Amino acid sequence: QSVLTQPPSASGTPGQRVTISCSGSSSNIGSNYVYWYQQLPGTAPKLLIYRNNQRPSGVPDRFSGSKSGTSASLAISGLRSEDEADYYCAAWDDSLSAPSWVFGGGTKLTVL
Amino acid sequence: QVQLVQSGSELKKPGASVKVSCKASGYTFTSYAMNWVRQAPGQGLEWMGWINTNTGNPTYAQGFTGRFVFSLDTSVSTAYLQISSLKAEDTAVYYCARGSTGYSGYDAYFDYWGQGTLVTVSS
Repeated sequence: QSVLTQPPSASGTPGQRVTISCSGSSSNIGSNYVYWYQQLPGTAPKLLIYRNNQRPSGVPDRFSGSKSGTSASLAISGLRSEDEADYYCAAWDDSLSAPSWVFGGGTKLTVL
Repeated sequence: QVQLVQSGSELKKPGASVKVSCKASGYTFTSYAMNWVRQAPGQGLEWMGWINTNTGNPTYAQGFTGRFVFSLDTSVSTAYLQISSLKAEDTAVYYCARGSTGYSGYDAYFDYWGQGTLVTVSS
Protein backbone atom coordinates (compact mmCIF):
# COMPACT_ATOMS: atom_id res chain seq x y z
CA GLN A 1 0.00 0.00 0.00
CA SER A 2 1.10 3.54 -0.75
CA VAL A 3 2.33 6.00 1.88
CA LEU A 4 -0.01 8.70 0.56
CA THR A 5 -3.70 7.84 0.30
CA GLN A 6 -5.80 8.74 -2.73
CA PRO A 7 -9.24 7.53 -3.81
CA PRO A 8 -8.81 4.91 -6.53
CA SER A 9 -11.32 6.55 -8.83
CA ALA A 10 -13.15 9.79 -9.55
CA SER A 11 -15.51 10.85 -12.28
CA GLY A 12 -17.34 13.82 -13.68
CA THR A 13 -19.14 15.09 -16.74
CA PRO A 14 -17.72 17.63 -19.16
CA GLY A 15 -17.71 21.11 -17.68
CA GLN A 16 -17.96 19.89 -14.10
CA ARG A 17 -15.48 20.52 -11.31
CA VAL A 18 -13.87 17.49 -9.66
CA THR A 19 -11.47 17.22 -6.77
CA ILE A 20 -9.00 14.49 -5.89
CA SER A 21 -7.74 14.18 -2.34
CA CYS A 22 -4.36 13.04 -1.05
CA SER A 23 -3.80 12.23 2.60
CA GLY A 24 -0.43 11.82 4.28
CA SER A 25 1.30 12.43 7.59
CA SER A 26 3.49 14.90 9.44
CA SER A 27 6.66 13.48 7.90
CA ASN A 28 5.58 14.05 4.32
CA ILE A 29 2.67 16.35 3.40
CA GLY A 30 2.66 17.93 6.84
CA SER A 31 6.18 19.27 6.47
CA ASN A 32 6.92 19.35 2.73
CA TYR A 33 5.48 20.49 -0.56
CA VAL A 34 2.98 18.41 -2.50
CA TYR A 35 3.29 17.68 -6.21
CA TRP A 36 0.77 16.30 -8.67
CA TYR A 37 1.49 14.28 -11.79
CA GLN A 38 -0.86 13.44 -14.66
CA GLN A 39 -0.43 10.17 -16.52
CA LEU A 40 -2.43 9.94 -19.73
CA PRO A 41 -3.15 6.40 -20.92
CA GLY A 42 -0.01 4.67 -22.19
CA THR A 43 2.27 7.63 -21.54
CA ALA A 44 4.80 8.78 -18.97
CA PRO A 45 3.76 10.90 -16.00
CA LYS A 46 3.88 14.66 -16.47
CA LEU A 47 4.31 17.34 -13.81
CA LEU A 48 0.98 19.07 -13.27
CA ILE A 49 1.35 21.00 -9.99
CA TYR A 50 4.49 21.78 -7.97
CA ARG A 51 5.01 23.38 -4.55
CA ASN A 52 1.38 22.69 -3.53
CA ASN A 53 -0.28 25.08 -5.97
CA GLN A 54 2.10 26.20 -8.72
CA ARG A 55 1.48 25.33 -12.35
CA PRO A 56 4.35 24.73 -14.79
CA SER A 57 4.09 26.74 -17.95
CA GLY A 58 1.68 25.14 -20.37
CA VAL A 59 -0.61 23.65 -17.72
CA PRO A 60 -4.08 25.20 -18.02
CA ASP A 61 -5.40 27.21 -15.08
CA ARG A 62 -8.30 24.75 -14.90
CA PHE A 63 -5.93 22.71 -12.73
CA SER A 64 -5.28 23.92 -9.20
CA GLY A 65 -3.73 22.48 -6.06
CA SER A 66 -4.09 23.17 -2.37
CA LYS A 67 -2.73 21.85 0.89
CA SER A 68 -3.91 21.96 4.48
CA GLY A 69 -2.13 20.20 7.31
CA THR A 70 -1.41 16.64 6.25
CA SER A 71 -3.80 16.61 3.28
CA ALA A 72 -3.81 18.04 -0.21
CA SER A 73 -6.24 18.32 -3.07
CA LEU A 74 -6.16 18.65 -6.82
CA ALA A 75 -9.11 20.43 -8.41
CA ILE A 76 -9.98 20.31 -12.08
CA SER A 77 -12.60 22.76 -13.27
CA GLY A 78 -14.31 22.83 -16.66
CA LEU A 79 -13.66 19.11 -17.04
CA ARG A 80 -12.72 18.00 -20.56
CA SER A 81 -12.50 14.57 -22.15
CA GLU A 82 -8.75 14.92 -22.50
CA ASP A 83 -8.43 15.15 -18.72
CA GLU A 84 -9.21 11.43 -18.48
CA ALA A 85 -6.03 10.08 -16.92
CA ASP A 86 -4.42 8.77 -13.75
CA TYR A 87 -3.40 11.41 -11.21
CA TYR A 88 -0.70 10.89 -8.60
CA CYS A 89 0.25 13.04 -5.62
CA ALA A 90 3.81 12.98 -4.31
CA ALA A 91 5.82 14.44 -1.46
CA TRP A 92 9.24 14.14 0.10
CA ASP A 93 9.10 12.09 3.29
CA ASP A 94 11.51 13.13 6.04
CA SER A 95 11.34 9.78 7.82
CA LEU A 96 14.49 9.44 9.90
CA SER A 97 14.95 5.81 8.95
CA ALA A 98 14.78 6.32 5.21
CA PRO A 99 14.03 9.74 3.69
CA SER A 100 12.43 9.22 0.30
CA TRP A 101 9.95 10.39 -2.27
CA VAL A 102 6.52 8.87 -1.67
CA PHE A 103 3.54 8.70 -3.99
CA GLY A 104 -0.17 8.15 -3.65
CA GLY A 105 -1.64 5.05 -5.22
CA GLY A 106 -3.14 7.10 -8.02
CA THR A 107 -6.67 8.18 -8.89
CA LYS A 108 -8.20 7.16 -12.20
CA LEU A 109 -10.33 10.03 -13.48
CA THR A 110 -13.14 9.12 -15.84
CA VAL A 111 -14.94 11.77 -17.87
CA LEU A 112 -18.47 10.49 -18.37
CA GLN B 1 13.92 21.59 -25.16
CA VAL B 2 14.60 19.07 -22.42
CA GLN B 3 14.29 15.46 -23.58
CA LEU B 4 14.93 12.15 -21.88
CA VAL B 5 14.97 9.25 -24.32
CA GLN B 6 15.06 5.74 -22.89
CA SER B 7 16.09 2.47 -24.48
CA GLY B 8 13.53 0.04 -25.83
CA SER B 9 11.56 -2.77 -24.25
CA GLU B 10 13.39 -5.81 -22.93
CA LEU B 11 12.33 -9.43 -22.49
CA LYS B 12 14.56 -11.33 -20.09
CA LYS B 13 14.61 -14.71 -18.39
CA PRO B 14 14.69 -15.01 -14.60
CA GLY B 15 18.23 -14.72 -13.30
CA ALA B 16 19.46 -12.59 -16.21
CA SER B 17 20.49 -8.94 -16.08
CA VAL B 18 19.23 -5.87 -17.90
CA LYS B 19 20.62 -2.38 -18.44
CA VAL B 20 18.24 0.47 -19.25
CA SER B 21 19.60 3.72 -20.65
CA CYS B 22 18.26 7.27 -20.40
CA LYS B 23 19.84 9.80 -22.78
CA ALA B 24 19.37 13.43 -21.86
CA SER B 25 19.45 16.44 -24.14
CA GLY B 26 18.50 20.10 -24.09
CA TYR B 27 20.21 20.96 -20.79
CA THR B 28 23.49 20.61 -18.88
CA PHE B 29 23.38 16.97 -17.80
CA THR B 30 25.58 17.35 -14.73
CA SER B 31 23.51 20.18 -13.25
CA TYR B 32 20.43 18.13 -12.43
CA ALA B 33 19.89 14.90 -10.50
CA MET B 34 18.49 11.84 -12.23
CA ASN B 35 15.86 9.76 -10.50
CA TRP B 36 14.50 6.32 -11.33
CA VAL B 37 10.84 5.38 -10.83
CA ARG B 38 9.20 1.98 -11.21
CA GLN B 39 5.63 1.25 -12.25
CA ALA B 40 4.52 -2.38 -12.06
CA PRO B 41 1.68 -3.44 -14.40
CA GLY B 42 -1.54 -1.71 -13.40
CA GLN B 43 0.12 -0.25 -10.31
CA GLY B 44 1.26 3.14 -9.05
CA LEU B 45 4.61 4.90 -9.06
CA GLU B 46 7.48 3.89 -6.80
CA TRP B 47 10.68 5.90 -6.34
CA MET B 48 13.78 3.74 -6.69
CA GLY B 49 16.39 6.35 -5.85
CA TRP B 50 18.61 8.85 -7.60
CA ILE B 51 22.10 9.53 -8.84
CA ASN B 52 24.08 12.71 -8.44
CA THR B 53 25.09 13.47 -12.02
CA ASN B 54 27.93 15.70 -10.84
CA THR B 55 29.66 13.21 -8.54
CA GLY B 56 28.19 9.90 -9.76
CA ASN B 57 27.11 9.05 -6.21
CA PRO B 58 23.94 6.90 -6.20
CA THR B 59 21.32 6.71 -3.44
CA TYR B 60 18.94 3.77 -3.38
CA ALA B 61 15.50 3.75 -1.82
CA GLN B 62 14.47 0.98 0.57
CA GLY B 63 13.72 -2.14 -1.40
CA PHE B 64 16.11 -1.25 -4.19
CA THR B 65 19.47 -2.16 -2.70
CA GLY B 66 21.67 -5.02 -3.82
CA ARG B 67 20.42 -5.90 -7.31
CA PHE B 68 19.92 -2.37 -8.61
CA VAL B 69 22.75 -0.15 -9.82
CA PHE B 70 22.59 3.42 -11.10
CA SER B 71 25.46 4.68 -13.24
CA LEU B 72 26.37 7.45 -15.67
CA ASP B 73 28.32 8.20 -18.80
CA THR B 74 28.56 11.96 -18.67
CA SER B 75 30.43 12.08 -22.01
CA VAL B 76 27.16 11.12 -23.72
CA SER B 77 24.75 12.61 -21.14
CA THR B 78 23.30 9.21 -20.33
CA ALA B 79 22.14 7.59 -17.11
CA TYR B 80 21.81 3.85 -16.69
CA LEU B 81 19.80 1.48 -14.52
CA GLN B 82 21.11 -2.07 -14.26
CA ILE B 83 19.11 -4.81 -12.59
CA SER B 84 20.74 -8.16 -11.93
CA SER B 85 19.32 -11.57 -10.94
CA LEU B 86 16.00 -10.62 -12.47
CA LYS B 87 12.81 -11.97 -10.93
CA ALA B 88 9.28 -12.10 -12.30
CA GLU B 89 8.29 -9.35 -9.86
CA ASP B 90 10.77 -6.98 -11.55
CA THR B 91 8.41 -6.87 -14.53
CA ALA B 92 7.52 -3.19 -14.78
CA VAL B 93 7.96 0.03 -16.69
CA TYR B 94 11.05 1.88 -15.50
CA TYR B 95 11.18 5.66 -15.87
CA CYS B 96 14.06 8.06 -15.55
CA ALA B 97 12.96 11.45 -14.24
CA ARG B 98 15.06 14.57 -14.03
CA GLY B 99 15.19 16.29 -10.68
CA SER B 100 14.50 20.02 -10.62
CA THR B 101 17.84 20.61 -8.88
CA GLY B 102 21.22 18.92 -8.52
CA TYR B 103 20.08 16.78 -5.61
CA SER B 104 17.01 14.71 -4.72
CA GLY B 105 15.03 15.65 -1.67
CA TYR B 106 13.05 18.58 -0.38
CA ASP B 107 11.60 20.56 -3.31
CA ALA B 108 13.68 18.64 -5.86
CA TYR B 109 10.70 17.36 -7.75
CA PHE B 110 10.59 15.44 -11.05
CA ASP B 111 10.18 17.99 -13.80
CA TYR B 112 10.84 15.90 -16.90
CA TRP B 113 10.32 12.19 -17.49
CA GLY B 114 11.59 9.68 -20.01
CA GLN B 115 9.05 7.73 -22.04
CA GLY B 116 9.58 4.59 -19.96
CA THR B 117 11.17 1.21 -20.64
CA LEU B 118 9.14 -1.96 -20.22
CA VAL B 119 11.16 -4.79 -18.73
CA THR B 120 9.42 -8.15 -18.85
CA VAL B 121 10.86 -11.07 -16.91
CA SER B 122 9.49 -14.40 -18.01
CA SER B 123 10.74 -17.90 -18.63
